Amino acid sequence: SAVISQKPSRDICQRGTSLTIQCQVDSQVTMMFWYRQQPGQSLTLIATANQGSEATYESGFVIDKFPISRPNLTFSTLTVSNMSPEDSSIYLCSVVSAEKLFFGSGTQLSVL
Amino acid sequence: KQEVTQIPAALSVPEGENLVLNCSFTDSAIYNLQWFRQDPGKGLTSLLLIQSSQREQTSGRLNASLDKSSGRSTLYIAASQPGDSATYLCAVMGTSYDKVIFGPGTSLSVIP
Repeated sequence: SAVISQKPSRDICQRGTSLTIQCQVDSQVTMMFWYRQQPGQSLTLIATANQGSEATYESGFVIDKFPISRPNLTFSTLTVSNMSPEDSSIYLCSVVSAEKLFFGSGTQLSVL
Repeated sequence: KQEVTQIPAALSVPEGENLVLNCSFTDSAIYNLQWFRQDPGKGLTSLLLIQSSQREQTSGRLNASLDKSSGRSTLYIAASQPGDSATYLCAVMGTSYDKVIFGPGTSLSVIP
């Protein structure tokens, strides 16, 4: 299994600002995934982050809006840039360990 | 592009009933399929993982089956209890091991 520490757990931000979310995993993993869960919705994949390479973004998500860093095999960050109220959501990081998907506890973001 | 759907979107049953939740996916080239539950305001809990080479997995009152060729999985819950009330999500991992796509979920309510 994998234990993921994600922070912050929640934040309230002003329109136009940026927030960086951090995920720390207790073991080395090849890939980390970043998801968004809007209120009452399922999880939508934002991007896949491999160590040492550029993140791969899903349709509808761009690097300028959601830059991702993956400096090593246990850590990643997702930045939500130039935020608007439409970015209010829960953001989750996840990893695959022993072929199972594990999640951090999520970051609940509210943009005013 | 992999698309995952779940039927029904919502389900309300009296306690004690056996029930079936359905998950369909468009691309049969999958590595595995995982079922999760999510309680309101909480994170995701992994229930069952089925490898592409497997037909079913069982854990307690839960049984998940997989028919890869037809792009379907079912989650069977026996003798439902009020504590089973939650949203159930299926997630499909592609054979290139590079992304996991979630279905929209089934919201289950078990009435005492």
